[in-house]
Amino acid sequence: ETGVTQTPRHLVMGMTNKKSLKCEQHLGHNAMYWYKQSAKKPLELMFVYSLEERVENNSVPSRFSPECPNSSHLFLHLHTLQPEDSALYLCASSQWDRGDTEAFFGQGTRLTVV
Amino acid sequence: AQSVTQLDSQVPVFEEAPVELRCNYSSSVSVYLFWYVQYPNQGLQLLLKYLSGSTLVKGINGFEAEFNKSQTSFHLRKPSVHISDTAEYFCAVRQTRGGSNYKLTFGKGTLLTVNP
Repeated sequence: ETGVTQTPRHLVMGMTNKKSLKCEQHLGHNAMYWYKQSAKKPLELMFVYSLEERVENNSVPSRFSPECPNSSHLFLHLHTLQPEDSALYLCASSQWDRGDTEAFFGQGTRLTVV
Repeated sequence: AQSVTQLDSQVPVFEEAPVELRCNYSSSVSVYLFWYVQYPNQGLQLLLKYLSGSTLVKGINGFEAEFNKSQTSFHLRKPSVHISDTAEYFCAVRQTRGGSNYKLTFGKGTLLTVNP
């Protein structure tokens, strides 16, 4: 497999559930990102990991908990979400120290909180 | 810090017509510029990027963009669009160097709708 793969593609969860989103990249990149894309809003950068260390956390509520066990895998653990958390969650990867290279995105997980 | 402004949130055009999607940016440091496309229920895919050199950049699917430093613009163009070009288009910038050069700053996106 190549590129950035996200699972699941679709997820419906209740407000009391706990679930996790998974992202895997096969590009040899050393930085990974979580973005949130809501309807009629710009892309929001949530978390950034470089070499498995979190380098950015953009005031994201604690009900979202990221985990980066190695440079190829990124998780987003979800618990006690709210309906306004329904969105498309996109994972991306890039070379941390190469500003001239683009970020590669997964196809996203469409999350619906009921 | 950088910011990206995409002046049109929606652009409807007829098939085979030319299209221009506008992007302006603001930055206190030099930046690289990118255009991404997002088809419905998909992730973002790179269309093209400007790093240096010739200000006219060609990308995939017949798109091109022109970097204009004095106007801080990076408009995307296609001379003849197809129904399959219907998608959302995002302009983005990234610092060429410095502590935040890992971060892409995106515009709000322009929804291009191509009608038959």
